[in-house]
Amino acid sequence: TQTVSQSDAHVTVFEGDSVELRCNYSYGGSIYLSWYIQHHGHGLQFLLKYYSGNPVVQGVNGFEAEFSKSDSSFHLRKASVHWSDSAVYFCAVSSATGGNNKLTFGQGTVLSVIP
Amino acid sequence: DPKIIQKPKYLVAVTGSEKILICEQYLGHNAMYWYRQSAKKPLEFMFSYSYQKLMDNQTASSRFQPQSSKKNHLDLQITALKPDDSATYFCASSQGTNANTGQLYFGEGSKLTVL
Repeated sequence: TQTVSQSDAHVTVFEGDSVELRCNYSYGGSIYLSWYIQHHGHGLQFLLKYYSGNPVVQGVNGFEAEFSKSDSSFHLRKASVHWSDSAVYFCAVSSATGGNNKLTFGQGTVLSVIP
Repeated sequence: DPKIIQKPKYLVAVTGSEKILICEQYLGHNAMYWYRQSAKKPLEFMFSYSYQKLMDNQTASSRFQPQSSKKNHLDLQITALKPDDSATYFCASSQGTNANTGQLYFGEGSKLTVL
């Protein structure tokens, strides 16, 4: 069973601050990890993903995430946030072995950026 | 222009009635999905289709029936509606027949309220 935990329900920062949104997962096999952003009233948009290789992956709009096998984590970071980054962020995991083609999402973290 | 069109954006239904949620994607993808987002649960996988064939079903109730008339269509029929069915239903698609890449494209959602 795959589980994804986003420990922070809500994070508030000022514009220009750095931010880290945390994601921990539980799964015994080979997986894909990804992050999505959801602006209010809209669908989810893909930010980035990791499967193998360099544990730090770059995404759109200056976001990056770092995979840690030892910590079972895939935290999302941004060095300098903009007010338009205010949204809900979802971490997701999916199995990389054959036949499993569903994403399991975390509960989401609401990021509020104060201008 | 939106690449995944969901209709209607909002709908209200009475308990016991039936509704159909429409989804069309213009990304040329072969796989399509339905996810549900409610106030009580994180975004959860419901169905996946590939080349108009069911690949995975995580919905316990037979009241939820996906319908695929074309490769780029995946509608969701919901019968005998209950208040607990109130949620936003998201259609998604992915390139190829396998979502293991962790990258899905989502529609804007259809928000269903059952009275």
